Amino acid sequence: DAGVIQSPRHEVTEMGQEVTLRCKPISGHDYLFWYRQTMMRGLELLIYFNNNVPIDDSGMPEDRFSAKMPNASFSTLKIQPSEPRDSAVYFCASSSTGRSEEKLFFGSGTQLSVL
Amino acid sequence: AQKVTQAQTEISVVEKEDVTLDCVYETRDTTYYLFWYKQPPSGELVFLIRRNSFDEQNEISGRYSWNFQKSTSSFNFTITASQVVDSAVYFCAPVNFNNAGNMLTFGGGTRLMVKP
Repeated sequence: DAGVIQSPRHEVTEMGQEVTLRCKPISGHDYLFWYRQTMMRGLELLIYFNNNVPIDDSGMPEDRFSAKMPNASFSTLKIQPSEPRDSAVYFCASSSTGRSEEKLFFGSGTQLSVL
Repeated sequence: AQKVTQAQTEISVVEKEDVTLDCVYETRDTTYYLFWYKQPPSGELVFLIRRNSFDEQNEISGRYSWNFQKSTSSFNFTITASQVVDSAVYFCAPVNFNNAGNMLTFGGGTRLMVKP
């Protein structure tokens, strides 16, 4: 079975450019999460969706960040305009029911470098 | 809200040594789950174990064992006879029992380096 698929694996861009990260959750999973990992702040939850609807976006750092889930098999995280401090590894994860005892399945992450 | 402290940011051991990774958490919740995830050099996070706050029985899975002590709010992870393949960053994360959306609050992680 395919796991959570993220693309691209690596992204290098210049400050001010728009960046779009993509995620395909595991088929049948109703919950999708976006996490960001940095040395300074560790792993932070940015936003999560249930049945394609954003439920909690309190972790989104600022208006430059936006996330969408147009259908059950695809989500995007967009940064516009990007800044060097956005450099991080961005992870997408999914789970079936969202119950607290359920484990998350993570993608391999997107390593973003903003120059 | 939960808070997690993994005081050991980095540990280095030689293969076959035993190693314990500490996790101390804070929560106002009376019922909760505790998770450990592993992040190998390839980058993806992989689930290792989940315990609930009702069950303080320690668990062993092969070379891995977990010691949950509710009285001290600790959920420590021990690897016996470590191997090079155990080299990874390990994260501890509590989740409220009734947390819709199973939002994990990760600790800062402990980087384990196992040298041959």
